[in-house]
Amino acid sequence: DQQVKQNSPSLSVQEGRISILNCDYTNSMFDYFLWYKKYPAEGPTFLISISSIKDKNEDGRFTVFLNKSAKHLSLHIVPSQPGDSAVYFCAANGVGSYIPTFGRGTSLIVHP
Amino acid sequence: EAGVTQSPTHLIKTRGQQATLRCSPISGHTSVYWYQQALGLGLQFLLWYDEGEERNRGNFPPRFSGRQFPNYSSELNVNALELEDSALYLCASRPDRVAFFGQGTRLTVV
Repeated sequence: DQQVKQNSPSLSVQEGRISILNCDYTNSMFDYFLWYKKYPAEGPTFLISISSIKDKNEDGRFTVFLNKSAKHLSLHIVPSQPGDSAVYFCAANGVGSYIPTFGRGTSLIVHP
Repeated sequence: EAGVTQSPTHLIKTRGQQATLRCSPISGHTSVYWYQQALGLGLQFLLWYDEGEERNRGNFPPRFSGRQFPNYSSELNVNALELEDSALYLCASRPDRVAFFGQGTRLTVV
């Protein structure tokens, strides 16, 4: 039973364009959402997060949008750069345990 | 400030043996999480330690165990290794809602 789902295993975009990575969740107890970036054979690197009391959080080229009613969040990268090519994981945690639950990841390839 | 450090980077073991993986959290972090990332899968939660106690464990058999030391470093032990235990094992620590990960230990069981 996957509580955090990333339905697109891969995404390919052109350098300079927008990359949109999507994530859905089923657990209503989740109230904090995170995005991580991962290169092969390395640990995930924290990118950006959002609390359920907000619907948008921005950090430079990265923006995360949260739609609580749809239990959906997305990560926008503008403009995309070849160095952004990596696997992106969506994660969520809830009050009490704070154990991050991860999706299976989306592999982003940004072509020069 | 040093990040989360894990050792060894790579480990090769024979089926049936035991593996011990180590993790040092970021200074001041008392919570440590262990995750397994097998090929083609996401990060599967293994264990959570906080203040020296095991707080929660994921859906893994008892041969996956660990402990947390007084200095908050942690050890993951995998007994009776099976071929499917081959994976990247990740350790993370957190001060609040955000977990920070180490570079991982690649365990290969042959």
